[in-house]
Order: sequence, then C-alpha cells, then structure tokens
Amino acid sequence: QVQLQESGPGLVKPSQTLSLTCSVSGGSISSGSYYWSWIRQPAGRGLEWIGRIYTSGSTDYNPSLKSRVTISVDTSKNQFSLKLTSVTAADTAVYYCAREPHTAMAYFDYWGQGTLVTVSS
Amino acid sequence: DIQMTQSPSSLSASVGDRVTITCRASQPISTYLNWYQRKLGKAPKLLIYAASSLQSGVPPRFSGSGSGTDFTLTISSLQPEDFAAYYCQQSYNTPYTFGQGTKLEIK
Repeated sequence: QVQLQESGPGLVKPSQTLSLTCSVSGGSISSGSYYWSWIRQPAGRGLEWIGRIYTSGSTDYNPSLKSRVTISVDTSKNQFSLKLTSVTAADTAVYYCAREPHTAMAYFDYWGQGTLVTVSS
Repeated sequence: DIQMTQSPSSLSASVGDRVTITCRASQPISTYLNWYQRKLGKAPKLLIYAASSLQSGVPPRFSGSGSGTDFTLTISSLQPEDFAAYYCQQSYNTPYTFGQGTKLEIK
C-alpha cells in the first residue's frame, strides 16, 4: 500500500520561501510511470493544483504560480519536494502531495493527509 | 483554465438516502473527470475516475456518469461513513482544476 506523508514548517514569514517534503512509502518513487504532484487548499476555497514532477524529472507547473514554484525529487530518499518563494498570506493553505499514474485518463490515486502552512509574521 | 462548477455546495441527507452531486465544466472535457472524497484529517480518496470507473476498493453504492460538460456523482444509499466533502476534478488538460466541493452533512 503506497503512503504519502507531507512534512515541513507550519509557519512561514511573508516574503520567505515555503519548503515542504513528501515522503513516499510502500513503493519506489523512481519505479513505474508516475507523476508526483502538489495540491493546496486555502481555507474556505477550492483545491488548487500547484504542479508535478515526472519520474524522469521533468516538471509541469500551474501558470498562476510558475514564477515562484520549484518541484524536485530525491530518489535516494524516496521523496519529492516543493519550494514556493516570496510567500504572502494568500499562500496560507493545507498542502497535499499526491501520486498520478501516467495513464490516458489521469487521476490522483494516492494522497497525503495534508499539512497546514500559515504565512504570518 | 477550465472552470469546474459543482453543486450543491452543501447538502443535508439521512442514512439510506440517494444523493446526487453535479459538476459542470466550462468547456467539453470528454470523460476526463474524477471524483474524490475528503474527510477531516484524512488523505483525500479517489472514488471515481474517467467519469464512471469505480476505483478499486470503493463500494458500489458510489457511481459516476456524464461526458462533455455535465457529470454526476451518485451515492445510492448513504452510509454513516459517507458524510464528508466531495470534489470533482478535470484531467483533460493542465492546469488541473477542481470543483469548489460539496459538504455532505447528516440531517
């Protein structure tokens, strides 16, 4: 059974960089054909797809965040990470990591429980 | 971006009820539509993918239908564990987008 778990600081100051890690267990992050995504949900708002990284290392970002986002993978640790620069209060949200099989009909089959990140001084 | 409009935003129902949630896309998306269930403090769970395919392990009381722009999620007989939030998501193209969610509450 694949499991994903987000980790990182719960509080980030405005203008700083938000950094989160997703640890994958129950399978190798580098085996198979999968995308590994980050998704967030600000309080009272809908879910927003941030971006993804493929097993090969190629990335795809939401244009609304592209200038501030970097997603990377560390296969030796079976983890992938999110960095979001120049954060503001609008970046306060629950952040999820998720797995997307590289199939014709895309979907997220496994998610982490989510971690709340608050941007505040 | 493709806009996903989900309704209702909240719904009160009783155990045993039949419930339908709808999702409308701002442009045709064929059957690139998924449904998720989310409970507080738990990982979101995939219920339905490709509009009508039941994810492995999901009870058959959940079903999905639709194509093009209009989709529905139906729960045929509500169980206590079904009270949660439900989200649709289009995977026709990136950026993937989600509906605003439907909160299903006990009446």
